[in-house]
Amino acid sequence: SQKIEQNSEALNIQEGKTATLTCNYTNYSPAYLQWYRQDPGRGPVFLLLIRENEKEKRKERLKVTFDTTLKQSLFHITASQPADSATYLCALPSRQLTFGSGTQLTVLP
Amino acid sequence: EPEVTQTPSHQVTQMGQEVILRCVPISNHLYFYWYRQILGQKVEFLVSFYNNEISEKSEIFDDQFSVERPDGSNFTLKIRSTKLEDSAMYFCASSGTLFTDTQYFGPGTRLTVL
Repeated sequence: SQKIEQNSEALNIQEGKTATLTCNYTNYSPAYLQWYRQDPGRGPVFLLLIRENEKEKRKERLKVTFDTTLKQSLFHITASQPADSATYLCALPSRQLTFGSGTQLTVLP
Repeated sequence: EPEVTQTPSHQVTQMGQEVILRCVPISNHLYFYWYRQILGQKVEFLVSFYNNEISEKSEIFDDQFSVERPDGSNFTLKIRSTKLEDSAMYFCASSGTLFTDTQYFGPGTRLTVL
Protein backbone atom coordinates (compact mmCIF):
# COMPACT_ATOMS: atom_id res chain seq x y z
CA SER A 1 0.00 0.00 0.00
CA GLN A 2 1.05 3.61 -0.48
CA LYS A 3 2.97 5.06 2.41
CA ILE A 4 4.45 8.47 3.28
CA GLU A 5 6.98 8.87 6.09
CA GLN A 6 8.35 12.10 7.46
CA ASN A 7 11.69 11.76 9.16
CA SER A 8 10.90 12.67 12.69
CA GLU A 9 7.96 13.82 14.70
CA ALA A 10 9.87 16.75 16.17
CA LEU A 11 12.95 18.74 15.24
CA ASN A 12 14.53 21.48 17.33
CA ILE A 13 17.10 23.82 15.82
CA GLN A 14 18.80 27.06 16.78
CA GLU A 15 17.73 30.30 15.17
CA GLY A 16 19.78 31.11 12.08
CA LYS A 17 20.54 27.47 11.25
CA THR A 18 19.14 25.50 8.32
CA ALA A 19 16.32 23.10 9.06
CA THR A 20 16.11 20.01 6.87
CA LEU A 21 12.98 17.89 6.85
CA THR A 22 12.62 14.60 5.00
CA CYS A 23 9.67 12.99 3.27
CA ASN A 24 10.00 9.42 2.02
CA TYR A 25 7.36 7.54 0.12
CA THR A 26 6.76 4.00 -1.08
CA ASN A 27 4.48 2.46 -3.67
CA TYR A 28 3.92 5.84 -5.33
CA SER A 29 4.97 7.28 -8.65
CA PRO A 30 3.79 10.82 -8.06
CA ALA A 31 3.83 13.44 -10.78
CA TYR A 32 4.49 16.03 -8.09
CA LEU A 33 4.82 16.51 -4.35
CA GLN A 34 3.60 19.35 -2.16
CA TRP A 35 4.74 20.83 1.15
CA TYR A 36 2.37 22.53 3.57
CA ARG A 37 2.75 24.34 6.85
CA GLN A 38 0.28 23.81 9.68
CA ASP A 39 0.06 25.89 12.83
CA PRO A 40 -1.75 24.53 15.91
CA GLY A 41 -5.53 24.56 15.46
CA ARG A 42 -5.27 25.91 11.91
CA GLY A 43 -5.65 24.49 8.42
CA PRO A 44 -2.63 23.55 6.29
CA VAL A 45 -1.13 26.35 4.24
CA PHE A 46 0.42 25.51 0.88
CA LEU A 47 4.12 26.33 0.58
CA LEU A 48 5.64 24.67 -2.48
CA LEU A 49 4.89 22.19 -5.23
CA ILE A 50 7.69 20.35 -7.02
CA ARG A 51 7.12 18.28 -10.13
CA GLU A 52 8.81 14.99 -10.97
CA ASN A 53 10.94 16.61 -13.67
CA GLU A 54 12.20 19.31 -11.29
CA LYS A 55 15.16 18.49 -9.09
CA GLU A 56 14.94 21.58 -6.94
CA LYS A 57 12.62 24.47 -6.27
CA ARG A 58 13.15 27.61 -4.21
CA LYS A 59 10.91 30.23 -2.67
CA GLU A 60 12.56 32.86 -0.53
CA ARG A 61 14.24 30.95 2.35
CA LEU A 62 12.61 27.66 1.37
CA LYS A 63 14.16 25.00 -0.85
CA VAL A 64 12.67 21.67 -1.85
CA THR A 65 14.37 18.80 -3.66
CA PHE A 66 12.68 15.81 -5.22
CA ASP A 67 14.54 12.58 -5.98
CA THR A 68 12.21 10.13 -7.70
CA THR A 69 14.89 7.42 -7.68
CA LEU A 70 15.31 7.60 -3.91
CA LYS A 71 11.59 8.32 -3.53
CA GLN A 72 12.44 11.20 -1.28
CA SER A 73 11.89 14.92 -0.93
CA LEU A 74 13.96 17.22 1.28
CA PHE A 75 12.57 20.50 2.58
CA HIS A 76 15.05 23.12 3.75
CA ILE A 77 14.46 26.36 5.62
CA THR A 78 17.59 28.51 5.63
CA ALA A 79 18.31 31.23 8.20
CA SER A 80 15.52 29.82 10.33
CA GLN A 81 13.51 32.08 12.63
CA PRO A 82 11.29 31.36 15.64
CA ALA A 83 8.31 32.32 13.43
CA ASP A 84 9.12 29.26 11.29
CA SER A 85 8.09 27.03 14.20
CA ALA A 86 5.18 24.91 12.97
CA THR A 87 4.36 21.44 11.68
CA TYR A 88 5.42 20.83 8.11
CA LEU A 89 3.51 18.31 6.02
CA CYS A 90 4.38 16.68 2.75
CA ALA A 91 1.53 15.55 0.52
CA LEU A 92 1.31 13.30 -2.49
CA PRO A 93 -1.48 12.96 -5.04
CA SER A 94 -3.00 9.69 -6.09
CA ARG A 95 -6.76 9.36 -6.36
CA GLN A 96 -6.73 11.76 -3.42
CA LEU A 97 -4.20 14.01 -1.75
CA THR A 98 -2.48 12.04 0.99
CA PHE A 99 -0.60 13.79 3.77
CA GLY A 100 2.30 12.59 5.82
CA SER A 101 2.04 12.80 9.58
CA GLY A 102 4.23 15.89 9.64
CA THR A 103 7.38 17.08 11.36
CA GLN A 104 6.99 19.57 14.20
CA LEU A 105 9.76 22.12 13.86
CA THR A 106 10.77 24.35 16.77
CA VAL A 107 13.27 27.12 16.12
CA LEU A 108 14.86 28.19 19.37
CA PRO A 109 15.88 31.84 19.83
CA GLU B 1 -6.23 37.63 -0.95
CA PRO B 2 -9.29 35.36 -1.30
CA GLU B 3 -9.70 32.72 1.36
CA VAL B 4 -11.83 29.75 2.29
CA THR B 5 -14.12 30.38 5.24
CA GLN B 6 -15.80 27.84 7.51
CA THR B 7 -18.59 28.04 10.05
CA PRO B 8 -18.94 27.39 12.87
CA SER B 9 -15.44 27.44 14.29
CA HIS B 10 -16.51 25.04 17.03
CA GLN B 11 -19.52 22.75 17.16
CA VAL B 12 -20.50 20.68 20.16
CA THR B 13 -23.15 18.03 19.69
CA GLN B 14 -24.60 15.00 21.37
CA MET B 15 -23.90 11.54 20.00
CA GLY B 16 -26.55 10.55 17.48
CA GLN B 17 -27.35 14.10 16.42
CA GLU B 18 -26.96 15.45 12.92
CA VAL B 19 -24.47 18.21 12.22
CA ILE B 20 -23.88 20.35 9.17
CA LEU B 21 -20.52 21.99 8.68
CA ARG B 22 -20.43 24.89 6.29
CA CYS B 23 -17.75 26.20 3.96
CA VAL B 24 -17.49 29.01 1.47
CA PRO B 25 -14.76 28.08 -1.04
CA ILE B 26 -12.81 30.60 -3.09
CA SER B 27 -15.25 31.97 -5.63
CA ASN B 28 -13.62 30.95 -8.92
CA HIS B 29 -12.55 27.49 -7.76
CA LEU B 30 -14.17 24.42 -9.21
CA TYR B 31 -12.99 21.62 -6.91
CA PHE B 32 -13.96 21.32 -3.29
CA TYR B 33 -12.74 18.97 -0.59
CA TRP B 34 -13.32 17.94 2.97
CA TYR B 35 -10.56 16.63 5.22
CA ARG B 36 -10.55 15.72 8.84
CA GLN B 37 -7.82 15.67 11.47
CA ILE B 38 -8.29 13.83 14.72
CA LEU B 39 -6.29 15.46 17.50
CA GLY B 40 -2.61 14.54 17.20
CA GLN B 41 -3.08 12.61 13.97
CA LYS B 42 -2.56 13.29 10.29
CA VAL B 43 -4.81 15.21 7.94
CA GLU B 44 -7.08 12.65 6.22
CA PHE B 45 -8.94 13.07 2.96
CA LEU B 46 -12.69 12.56 3.11
CA VAL B 47 -14.17 13.59 -0.21
CA SER B 48 -13.69 15.68 -3.33
CA PHE B 49 -16.54 17.34 -5.20
CA TYR B 50 -16.75 18.71 -8.70
CA ASN B 51 -19.55 19.71 -11.01
CA ASN B 52 -22.15 18.97 -8.35
CA GLU B 53 -21.08 15.43 -7.71
CA ILE B 54 -18.56 13.48 -5.68
CA SER B 55 -15.42 12.72 -7.68
CA GLU B 56 -13.53 10.74 -5.04
CA LYS B 57 -14.19 9.59 -1.50
CA SER B 58 -12.17 7.75 1.09
CA GLU B 59 -13.10 4.76 3.22
CA ILE B 60 -13.89 7.15 6.06
CA PHE B 61 -16.66 8.77 4.02
CA ASP B 62 -19.38 6.23 4.71
CA ASP B 63 -23.15 6.49 4.46
CA GLN B 64 -23.26 8.73 7.52
CA PHE B 65 -21.57 11.50 5.54
CA SER B 66 -22.92 13.57 2.68
CA VAL B 67 -21.86 16.71 0.88
CA GLU B 68 -23.84 19.31 -0.95
CA ARG B 69 -23.40 22.56 -2.78
CA PRO B 70 -26.81 24.05 -2.06
CA ASP B 71 -26.14 27.32 -3.86
CA GLY B 72 -23.39 29.01 -5.81
CA SER B 73 -21.22 29.77 -2.81
CA ASN B 74 -21.66 27.26 0.02
CA PHE B 75 -20.31 23.73 0.32
CA THR B 76 -21.56 21.64 3.22
CA LEU B 77 -20.62 18.42 4.99
CA LYS B 78 -23.43 16.65 6.82
CA ILE B 79 -22.88 13.92 9.38
CA ARG B 80 -26.23 12.21 9.87
CA SER B 81 -25.77 10.51 13.22
CA THR B 82 -22.61 11.58 14.97
CA LYS B 83 -20.43 9.15 16.86
CA LEU B 84 -17.83 9.89 19.52
CA GLU B 85 -15.08 9.04 17.03
CA ASP B 86 -16.27 11.79 14.69
CA SER B 87 -14.74 14.32 17.08
CA ALA B 88 -12.04 16.05 15.04
CA MET B 89 -11.10 19.19 13.13
CA TYR B 90 -12.82 19.29 9.78
CA PHE B 91 -11.14 21.29 7.05
CA CYS B 92 -12.69 22.43 3.81
CA ALA B 93 -10.41 23.16 0.87
CA SER B 94 -10.81 24.32 -2.69
CA SER B 95 -8.68 24.40 -5.81
CA GLY B 96 -8.85 25.51 -9.40
CA THR B 97 -8.05 22.08 -10.80
CA LEU B 98 -8.32 18.59 -9.34
CA PHE B 99 -5.34 18.09 -7.02
CA THR B 100 -2.83 19.39 -9.54
CA ASP B 101 -3.07 22.83 -8.12
CA THR B 102 -2.68 24.51 -4.81
CA GLN B 103 -5.40 23.56 -2.39
CA TYR B 104 -6.48 26.40 -0.16
CA PHE B 105 -7.65 25.27 3.24
CA GLY B 106 -10.14 26.93 5.53
CA PRO B 107 -9.46 27.50 9.24
CA GLY B 108 -11.43 24.39 10.20
CA THR B 109 -14.41 23.50 12.37
CA ARG B 110 -13.67 21.72 15.61
CA LEU B 111 -16.41 19.13 16.12
CA THR B 112 -16.84 17.73 19.60
CA VAL B 113 -19.26 14.83 20.02
CA LEU B 114 -20.33 14.15 23.60
